[in-house]
Amino acid sequence: RKEVEQDPGPFNVPEGATVAFNCTYSNSASQSFFWYRQDCRKEPKLLMSVYSSGNEDGRFTAQLNRASQYISLLIRDSKLSDSATYLCVVNGQAGTALIFGKGTTLSVSS
Amino acid sequence: EAGVTQFPSHSVIEKGQTVTLRCDPISGHDNLYWYRRVMGKEIKFLLHFVKESKQDESGMPNNRFLAERTGGTYSTLKVQPAELEDSGVYFCASSQNMISEAFFGQGTRLTVV
Repeated sequence: RKEVEQDPGPFNVPEGATVAFNCTYSNSASQSFFWYRQDCRKEPKLLMSVYSSGNEDGRFTAQLNRASQYISLLIRDSKLSDSATYLCVVNGQAGTALIFGKGTTLSVSS
Repeated sequence: EAGVTQFPSHSVIEKGQTVTLRCDPISGHDNLYWYRRVMGKEIKFLLHFVKESKQDESGMPNNRFLAERTGGTYSTLKVQPAELEDSGVYFCASSQNMISEAFFGQGTRLTVV
């Protein structure tokens, strides 16, 4: 089983749609969870951290389910500018570096 | 505040040559990471420095790759001799501590021909 797995997509949605991405991780000792966004030929940029209690930032909501070892990202009212690759990122355990999923590609069209 | 900077942004070299990539982390970030993305694959971890010490270099592909971080500031990643399969985008990232988010540089796109 891969350490961090995501559905690569692509997800093609119209503007205004709600889209959800899921991610699973294999290491139950993982401590930190993030969603990064990567635009074509650019570096990954932090979108949001993911907390056990769930957290929301505007149109974006992230959830963590430790028991099932999955993380989700919900995007409401999609904008054209949301088109990008969304990377699920997990810290394996204390003292180790971040581990990346392969990314989920989102394409929002007008 | 300056972010993570990498140099060069692009490099095209012939198989067998040597290339050195440089990364300047965010000031005050003790943790520095190198990652690589080969086309069509996920971003893969190469190694992790805490200050000048190698915390984890389990992701380094082979002994043709050498990373240094003298003085705990900037880091270099040397590939010698380069092979075709080394082509990809090499990202450097830094973070304040081992569980906080990492900030990435713009990457060095390496093409070995």
